[in-house]
Amino acid sequence: KAGVTQTPRYLIKTRGQQVTLSCSPISGHRSVSWYQQTPGQGLQFLFEYFSETQRNKGNFPGRFSGRQFSNSRSEMNVSTLELGDSALYLCASSSGTSQEAFFGQGTRLTVV
Amino acid sequence: DQQVKQNSPSLSVQEGRISILNCDYTNSMFDYFLWYKKYPAEGPTFLISISSIKDKNEDGRFTVFLNKSAKHLSLHIVPSQPGDSAVYFCAALTNFGNEKLTFGTGTRLTIIP
Repeated sequence: KAGVTQTPRYLIKTRGQQVTLSCSPISGHRSVSWYQQTPGQGLQFLFEYFSETQRNKGNFPGRFSGRQFSNSRSEMNVSTLELGDSALYLCASSSGTSQEAFFGQGTRLTVV
Repeated sequence: DQQVKQNSPSLSVQEGRISILNCDYTNSMFDYFLWYKKYPAEGPTFLISISSIKDKNEDGRFTVFLNKSAKHLSLHIVPSQPGDSAVYFCAALTNFGNEKLTFGTGTRLTIIP
């Protein structure tokens, strides 16, 4: 069974631009969560989608948004990029019946 | 407010010995705990978990202990192997069906051959 796939793996953007990251969960998984990892901050929860509905949201500004499609694939969008948005963005999928979440390899976003 | 804390940013252990990674939490609503292992440039990999109704869970070389009264959990790796060198994160969930993981800041484990 294929794992969680995130695209692209690496991205360089300029301040003020916007970016869209994509995540394909494990087949059959309906829950997709997004996390931001920065040095010294660990993994910070962004939001979680389940069956196309945002079920949970972390403490990030409105510039960070997401959505989930009927096939459970999810996208995350960051608008008006700031230098501090440079981070590894990780997507995790879970079945919704098991607590274990499985992570993708992440997208490394660099804002210059 | 860091609800899940890993106070040791790094730990070095001789190969073959026991590695003990610690994690403390403040939110008494957490009822499920997980440990993840992360190599550079990869996503975290699930290792082992424990429900708050248990105090120990074992899987091969990995054992997780939970002390609810102290709001403390630990991961024991015995015997430690060079491939165990990675960053370890503990994470917590508040209730079943809520997939929001709250992570600690991680402990970098280095196994010395």
